[in-house]
Amino acid sequence: GEDVEQSLFLSVREGDSSVINCTYTDSSSTYLYWYKQEPGAGLQLLTYIFSNMDMKQDQRLTVLLNKKDKHLSLRIADTQTGDSAIYFCAEFLSRTNKLIFGTGTLLAVQP
Amino acid sequence: DAGVIQSPRHEVTEMGQEVTLRCKPISGHDYLFWYRQTMMRGLELLIYFNNNVPIDDSGMPEDRFSAKMPNASFSTLKIQPSEPRDSAVYFCASSPRVPNTEAFFGQGTRLTVV
Repeated sequence: GEDVEQSLFLSVREGDSSVINCTYTDSSSTYLYWYKQEPGAGLQLLTYIFSNMDMKQDQRLTVLLNKKDKHLSLRIADTQTGDSAIYFCAEFLSRTNKLIFGTGTLLAVQP
Repeated sequence: DAGVIQSPRHEVTEMGQEVTLRCKPISGHDYLFWYRQTMMRGLELLIYFNNNVPIDDSGMPEDRFSAKMPNASFSTLKIQPSEPRDSAVYFCASSPRVPNTEAFFGQGTRLTVV
């Protein structure tokens, strides 16, 4: 299957950490991505991880990959109001060359 | 490069009319994708091209939808005839050769069919 699932909504207070979770079903994924979509805009790549890695850190962002459980998470440290957006995880399927997106998680940051 | 350019940004049309959405990918990118975003269904892949050739159109909802890529710098997505349920934001994205590291998205076309 090609399903990618995310929780729909997450609310955090400014300064706290945010953790957005994603599960996928296709074990042929080679790359997994996190995209950010601000209101009225297109999607912007935040970070990605190759499927043979467990963790990747990029400034305030930490990506964790549990390949056995097909679970991907994005942690945003010191969340700011400017981080409020919809976050999409996506998997690249090498067998079909398709980029499949999750349902998106709306992150609301309260001041 | 100015990134992926889509036009128009907004389109309002009457049911039954033909709608054409346009996309200019980033120069040198071999892959072009058309996505549709709605509240109910999220982000759906409609079709993608490799070197101007349609590779997988299994996401195209029905025969009313068609996509072309006559050259490496231009693609169109056409809906004829349009219906209210086609109302959505349509995104075009391009990426370099696989293995893919990033898909660059355009700003999207917001289509409203009344």
